[in-house]
Amino acid sequence: KAGVTQTPRYLIKTRGQQVTLSCSPISGHRSVSWYQQTPGQGLQFLFEYFSETQRNKGNFPGRFSGRQFSNSRSEMNVSTLELGDSALYLCASSPSGSSGEQYFGPGTRLTVT
Amino acid sequence: GENVEQHPSTLSVQEGDSAVIKCTYSDSASNYFPWYKQELGKRPQLIIDIRSNVGEKKDQRIAVTLNKTAKHFSLHITETQPEDSAVYFCAASGPGGSYIPTFGRGTSLIVHP
Repeated sequence: KAGVTQTPRYLIKTRGQQVTLSCSPISGHRSVSWYQQTPGQGLQFLFEYFSETQRNKGNFPGRFSGRQFSNSRSEMNVSTLELGDSALYLCASSPSGSSGEQYFGPGTRLTVT
Repeated sequence: GENVEQHPSTLSVQEGDSAVIKCTYSDSASNYFPWYKQELGKRPQLIIDIRSNVGEKKDQRIAVTLNKTAKHFSLHITETQPEDSAVYFCAASGPGGSYIPTFGRGTSLIVHP
């Protein structure tokens, strides 16, 4: 099976702009989770989508949003970018979320200038 | 919510030595404990996991132990090799958090040839 893919891999934006990141899960996986990874904070959970519904949400401001499509592909959007949003954004897919096993994509490196 | 503490943050060993990374968790309802390895510039990869009905699990040179009473679990790597150099993350998940894992801050393992 093909692994989790994310596009784009690298992105440079300026403060105030918005950005959309995409994640395609492993075929058959219905759960997609998003994480922000920074050197100081480690892996921070953003949200999880399952069957097109947001099932869980972490402690991030409303500028961070996401959605999932009927084919399980997911997108996350960050509006009004801030310098502190610079990070590696990882998505992870899971068959259903209930087993806990997650398989990560390569990530999107976002730099905000 | 769940809180996972991971120690040490950095571990330096000589090739052939053993390495041990320890994590503690706070939510007694957590029942799934994965470990991820993240090499520089790459995605986190699941290397071993353990569920709460098991005390120890081994896979070649790596093993994980779980002490439910004390709420801690450890990763043991024997006969370390330079290619084991990476950041290792522990995580805990379970019914309390809808199976979304809470990650430790990571341990940077450096294996010197």
